[in-house]
Amino acid sequence: GAVVSQHPSRVICKSGTSVKIECRSLDFQATTMFWYRQFPKQSLMLMATSNEGSKATYEQGVEKDKFLINHASLTLSTLTVTSAHPEDSSFYICSASEVGGGNTEAFFGQGTRLTVV
Amino acid sequence: DAKTTQPTSMDCAEGRAANLPCNHSTISGNEYVYWYRQIHSQGPQYIIHGLKNNETNEMASLIITEDRKSSTLILPHATLRDTAVYYCIVRATMNRDDKIIFGKGTRLHILP
Repeated sequence: GAVVSQHPSRVICKSGTSVKIECRSLDFQATTMFWYRQFPKQSLMLMATSNEGSKATYEQGVEKDKFLINHASLTLSTLTVTSAHPEDSSFYICSASEVGGGNTEAFFGQGTRLTVV
Repeated sequence: DAKTTQPTSMDCAEGRAANLPCNHSTISGNEYVYWYRQIHSQGPQYIIHGLKNNETNEMASLIITEDRKSSTLILPHATLRDTAVYYCIVRATMNRDDKIIFGKGTRLHILP
């Protein structure tokens, strides 16, 4: 099946700094990618929809100035957590579906565990 | 909000069939039923999807009721590696931009 890769898989950063997480579709093109956040023992919560070449669409309650999303190509979307605080510590996951491909399922990255200290 | 309801948790003995139910009583005519699972600290993994006919692949079988208001995912011979949270999702696949909204899923424990 198609592969979605996230980098880094784990990151520890200091409060007040910014962290960038990359999401790449390795063998297919995706005009749309999705970013999720997951706290321990909870389900995935959709944060935003990343659209190639245009602004991301954020879910209610998600601060767009804090979680910057850039989708500059059909294979790469980035999520930048700005001025990180300990409460931003979470598991961040991206997903993507293939453009015009025969597959209709969405593929998920392996996730990025962010710890803010 | 998620359009599905699932039991919070289930146990299944290793080697037996695991049957995971899902209710989706408000499903629309163009919406498919998808199943994903998430093993601890990993991203969700696609399992199977269907519209109205039963489906089978190398991982599982999907049984959808005739009225499409519920479905059952069947893992025919559960192993310890099948311990995970299983999510049932409804989604219209004709538009790949459709958001995937996760409910709470079912935490499946495979017992040795």
